[in-house]
Amino acid sequence: DGGITQSPKYLFRKEGQNVTLSCEQNLNHDAMYWYRQDPGQGLRLIYYSQIVNDFQKGDIAEGYSVSREKKESFPLTVTSAQKNPTAFYLCASRWAGRGGHNEQFFGPGTRLTVL
Amino acid sequence: ELKVEQNPLFLSMQEGKNYTIYCNYSTTSDRLYWYRQDPGKSLESLFVLLSNGAVKQEGRLMASLDTKARLSTLHITAAVHDLSATYFCAVDIGNYQLIWGAGTKLIIKP
Repeated sequence: DGGITQSPKYLFRKEGQNVTLSCEQNLNHDAMYWYRQDPGQGLRLIYYSQIVNDFQKGDIAEGYSVSREKKESFPLTVTSAQKNPTAFYLCASRWAGRGGHNEQFFGPGTRLTVL
Repeated sequence: ELKVEQNPLFLSMQEGKNYTIYCNYSTTSDRLYWYRQDPGKSLESLFVLLSNGAVKQEGRLMASLDTKARLSTLHITAAVHDLSATYFCAVDIGNYQLIWGAGTKLIIKP
């Protein structure tokens, strides 16, 4: 089955720790995205990547880092510089070719809590 | 400033009633998406609207796009409890990016 997987589903972080959230897709999509969602709020873009080995900052990139070494994978690291990381993190991917709907498809999310 | 405004942000309604959610946006675009999010869950794609005048329907939901007015609507007909969720619209601004609305939380009471 094609889709997007995120792991872990729940993650607990102590203050001062870096943690990495995994996102994998087997949809052969070129573009991948990381969003943050706070309770009762909308989505805010952290980083996105249009192609392997390239990525761009979104609206709230400070305190986060990403890599895109493989087309299928786009891990997000939440660093200790992110002062309020407790949130729901959503990964998405999108096919960027012509003629398609080009909507973003979402993974199930990772809920990060700082202890 | 690129903005997408949804209204209302919260809607409580009775089963069997009709209602419309509005999505206004501030930039030129001919692609707009509607998503549904259930509590504690991820987002699910509902509709993809690709041109002016596009109309899509699925069950009790119907979405439309007026690119000249920069307005999309999501109409709910004869609401049922299962449609309770948060609905987001997102506007395609090119360069692989979407601008998201804040979401409309819909509660449908029996």
